[in-house]
Amino acid sequence: GAVVSQHPSWVICKSGTSVKIECRSLDFQATTMFWYRQFPKQSLMLMATSNEGSKATYEQGVEKDKFLINHASLTLSTLTVTSAHPEDSSFYICSARESGRANTGELFFGEGSRLTVL
Amino acid sequence: AQTVTQSQPEMSVQEAETVTLSCTYDTSESDYYLFWYKQPPSRQMILVIRQEAYKQQNATENRFSVNFQKAAKSFSLKISDSQLGDAAMYFCAYRATGANSKLTFGKGITLSVRP
Repeated sequence: GAVVSQHPSWVICKSGTSVKIECRSLDFQATTMFWYRQFPKQSLMLMATSNEGSKATYEQGVEKDKFLINHASLTLSTLTVTSAHPEDSSFYICSARESGRANTGELFFGEGSRLTVL
Repeated sequence: AQTVTQSQPEMSVQEAETVTLSCTYDTSESDYYLFWYKQPPSRQMILVIRQEAYKQQNATENRFSVNFQKAAKSFSLKISDSQLGDAAMYFCAYRATGANSKLTFGKGITLSVRP
């Protein structure tokens, strides 16, 4: 149980195009999901907190218009990198908290999505 | 703001030996969660062990155990009988108890296991 799936796992795009990454909780409902960015050999940096049915909360320094987050259902959050540039190339990871259960503190992670912008 | 510090960027251990990864954190909360995550080359985040701050007993999971020192705000991970598959990046993480609380990670440590 508690599986989170990301799609695509790997994407290459041209500079200036937009890319959408999906994060799905497969066997549980997730009111809250989190999006992270990770550069090679570095830690995970939180980009934003995604809440179902409301606007995402972005961390300081993260461009809201650049990284659009939509959490339209209890099992799906999407991250859209708009007008991507090579500096947006990174590994993006989502995590989700299972709603409606006793809070164990644990978050469940997707497999990650590697974005390469040419 | 909460911070998590992992001061050692790399460590190496001989197969079958024991290694301890250190972590300190800073918080003004009295109740919270602490985690160790493993990230192998596949980059999938794998939960190794979890500790609830209100529990005095140190968490254990098979070969993995923690030394939780709440007053010192220290949370080290001990890996016993190290195996080649333990080689990975390990992240210490903190999370407050609120439902929407975020996970704060340390910088991570790269563990290599020598055969």
